[in-house]
Amino acid sequence: KNQVEQSPQSLIILEGKNCTLQCNYTVSPFSNLRWYKQDTGRGPVSLTIMTFSENTKSNGRYTATLDADTKQSSLHITASQLSDSASYICVVAFYGGATNKLIFGTGTLLAVQP
Amino acid sequence: DVKVTQSSRYLVKRTGEKVFLECVQDMDHENMFWYRQDPGLGLRLIYFSYDVKMKEKGDIPEGYSVSREKKERFSLILESASTNQTSMYLCASSFQDRKYQPQHFGDGTRLSIL
Repeated sequence: KNQVEQSPQSLIILEGKNCTLQCNYTVSPFSNLRWYKQDTGRGPVSLTIMTFSENTKSNGRYTATLDADTKQSSLHITASQLSDSASYICVVAFYGGATNKLIFGTGTLLAVQP
Repeated sequence: DVKVTQSSRYLVKRTGEKVFLECVQDMDHENMFWYRQDPGLGLRLIYFSYDVKMKEKGDIPEGYSVSREKKERFSLILESASTNQTSMYLCASSFQDRKYQPQHFGDGTRLSIL
């Protein structure tokens, strides 16, 4: 069964600190892995997309890693800011027909406190 | 910037009503999607469309239908609303032939069925 699991479910950190969010997946045939940020009351916004051959990708203070052998990904946030408070969703795409099909994780809810 | 606009942020309807949720995108994307998002669950695909007048069922199409008469507009229809359709509904769009491009989401419609 295609599945994406994220940990932790929620996390509280102090402003300025770093944190790492985890994503494990069992999805086949793998196409790519995406991280989205969803602010409260808003739609998800794409942070990174990584294919099988990429093992690191950065977007500002966000750095995603991918280990396709162990089927794990992480999202590292450096020098957190209050605006980083959001839900972070890991999404794995697999090949299926006219377009890639996506499996969404349930997200990690991050709260950055002053 | 890609803009995906959902017609209502909040909607309250009664059981048995026919409900229309509208979505418009301005980036000439071929693909459009409807998801629902419930607490503790990842986004689940209801329907998607890869061209005008074309549609495919997602993972949870029961109780829903869709309409795509123009490329930029994708409508979700609840034929006879029920309380278990109370949820956040998210519309998304993407290019068809660019597998590693992200889906762009609207800000969602929070629908309550009483």
